[in-house]
Amino acid sequence: GDSVTQMEGPVTLSEEAFLTINCTYTATGYPSLFWYVQYPGEGLQLLLKATKADDKGSNKGFEATYRKETTSFHLEKGSVQVSDSAVYFCALSTPTGGSYIPTFGRGTSLIVHP
Amino acid sequence: DAEITQSPRHKITETGRQVTLACHQTWNHNNMFWYRQDLGHGLRLIHYSYGVQDTNKGEVSDGYSVSRSNTEDLPLTLESAASSQTSVYFCASSEYTSTDTQYFGPGTRLTVL
Repeated sequence: GDSVTQMEGPVTLSEEAFLTINCTYTATGYPSLFWYVQYPGEGLQLLLKATKADDKGSNKGFEATYRKETTSFHLEKGSVQVSDSAVYFCALSTPTGGSYIPTFGRGTSLIVHP
Repeated sequence: DAEITQSPRHKITETGRQVTLACHQTWNHNNMFWYRQDLGHGLRLIHYSYGVQDTNKGEVSDGYSVSRSNTEDLPLTLESAASSQTSVYFCASSEYTSTDTQYFGPGTRLTVL
């Protein structure tokens, strides 16, 4: 079945540091890929997505590129802020047999210190 | 603005009681989902629905049920609450296809004593 593997956290950084959170996947068919973010006490919300190979999703300074050859969708940001502290989930969705159930990674906690 | 709401936001109940968690969306989405979130397990799918009168079991459906009588609502019922069902529950909705974003509610924190 489909699966998503993302790096375990927590990831702890100082403000203005460069961020990478790795995400790799296995999927039957041709998935769409997503990054969701969960701030403390809230539900998940979409951060960015990409629906075909080589697409780059971007939002709020975050970027991720759909790499079919390496089955990866790594999240990057050039300069993190304290307000970026949250849990980040990588996810995929594949139209398998008419089913569109997303598969989520376990989440990576990011802590940014001033 | 369209939204997805959950109620109650916090609930404490006793073992053996029946509990219903409400989920209401105004996106007019066909697809609705219930997840539970626990430390060390991430998000786990409980039940989902692709439309009115359609319901399907997810990976952790034992002890839970749902019904879909209209587009907007997918209530989750715990038939006889157990301490193992203490968790944070999230409802989500999406449109038709695998490229579509899921929109999540704010969550319900359930404690079973």
